[in-house]
Amino acid sequence: SQQGEEDPQALSIQEGENATMNCSYKTSINNLQWYRQNSGRGLVHLILIRSNEREKHSGRLRVTLDTSKKSSSLLITASRAADTASYFCATAPNYGGSQGNLIFGKGTKLSVKP
Amino acid sequence: GAGVSQSPSNKVTEKGKDVELRCDPISGHTALYWYRQSLGQGLEFLIYFQGNSAPDKSGLPSDRFSAERTGGSVSTLTIQRTQQEDSAVYLCASSSGLAGGPRWETQYFGPGTRLLVL
Repeated sequence: SQQGEEDPQALSIQEGENATMNCSYKTSINNLQWYRQNSGRGLVHLILIRSNEREKHSGRLRVTLDTSKKSSSLLITASRAADTASYFCATAPNYGGSQGNLIFGKGTKLSVKP
Repeated sequence: GAGVSQSPSNKVTEKGKDVELRCDPISGHTALYWYRQSLGQGLEFLIYFQGNSAPDKSGLPSDRFSAERTGGSVSTLTIQRTQQEDSAVYLCASSSGLAGGPRWETQYFGPGTRLLVL
């Protein structure tokens, strides 16, 4: 079942603008990860934020986590055409069950126009 | 190797035939995962291998799906008697297996196998 839900489903911006994508989830988590996917192929890990962290940065990426609202956001600053891709959040639920089961959302499709 | 590799890149088959999809994980990674991604959807977990432990098969959608991992490295996902609804991209990922459990680890994905069942 899908735990993470990204919002919006699609986002179109101009190069140089900032892009913000949100992720909501349902259950208590150990951590939340963001991945990027180009052209429906393999995913690339972007960043992992632990449940006891509130904000994390990596280059032009900024991720926030609000466990009280069960939500996370991914901000890409000064976007480039090369940032065009689908972005997925993935949660590691903090309950028994599959130890390997990262639960992915359906993704936000970002289009950055030059 | 440098990254996770999968073969074939694309596979077209007829309904009812069996298919085998292969995954070569990053050398030294003990954890290996299979996911399925249908068009426009997120990733659906299928199966997880960790070292010599029994695999977690909780995500396999039916008994037509099976996977094995020989020698703790290469993995093969087999779909028997394929159906049209099996059409999807099948993604393999691996992780080091060292961080206290896969939920803490970065997963490295292969490029996927795009399966089309006619």
